[in-house]
Amino acid sequence: DAMVIQNPRYQVTQFGKPVTLSCSQTLNHNVMYWYQQKSSQAPKLLFHYYDKDFNNEADTPDNFQSRRPNTSFCFLDIRSPGLGDAAMYLCATSRDGFPAYQEGEQYFGPGTRLTVT
Amino acid sequence: KQEVTQIPAALSVPEGENLVLNCSFTDSAIYNLQWFRQDPGKGLTSLLLIQSSQREQTSGRLNASLDKSSGRSTLYIAASQPGDSATYLCAAGTSYDKVIFGPGTSLSVIP
Repeated sequence: DAMVIQNPRYQVTQFGKPVTLSCSQTLNHNVMYWYQQKSSQAPKLLFHYYDKDFNNEADTPDNFQSRRPNTSFCFLDIRSPGLGDAAMYLCATSRDGFPAYQEGEQYFGPGTRLTVT
Repeated sequence: KQEVTQIPAALSVPEGENLVLNCSFTDSAIYNLQWFRQDPGKGLTSLLLIQSSQREQTSGRLNASLDKSSGRSTLYIAASQPGDSATYLCAAGTSYDKVIFGPGTSLSVIP
């Protein structure tokens, strides 16, 4: 089945130790997103890629970086995690274009729960 | 700047009842409106997507409507079941590649 996959599902890292979260998709969608979601809050968009074009949100801290080496994979790098970065990180995809009735529909992965100790 | 709100924040209903969840957005110039379901500790599952040119979408016991002029969308759930218990989020698409999420409504269906 076509899907969005996130690994690992649970990640524990130490304060200040770099960590990378991964996302892959078999939907062949041209747009990929990274969201941060804290407990009982709405998902907050960090950045997204339209193909290889990177779009950073104005309030995303410099501590968060992303890479998209090809259509299928996208990575979230947290260079120096702080206690406030503990959250669920959600990857999503969507397509631009045909069919129009599905354009913009976002498909989410299961998320990676990050704990910072 | 687009803002999305959802009322109520939490809702508890007995099994079998029909219910309506509300979503409001401040800027009527939306691209689309999407409803999601989120179970505790899990990712989001897309339920229904309404494009800006559409008025409603239906899937099984779910019906979502969109009224851009009033800045509102509703999600109607018929004959609720305990398995419907989850948080329901709406998201207003500001373009084909960006959405703004509401805070969600936590639904509990009591057997």
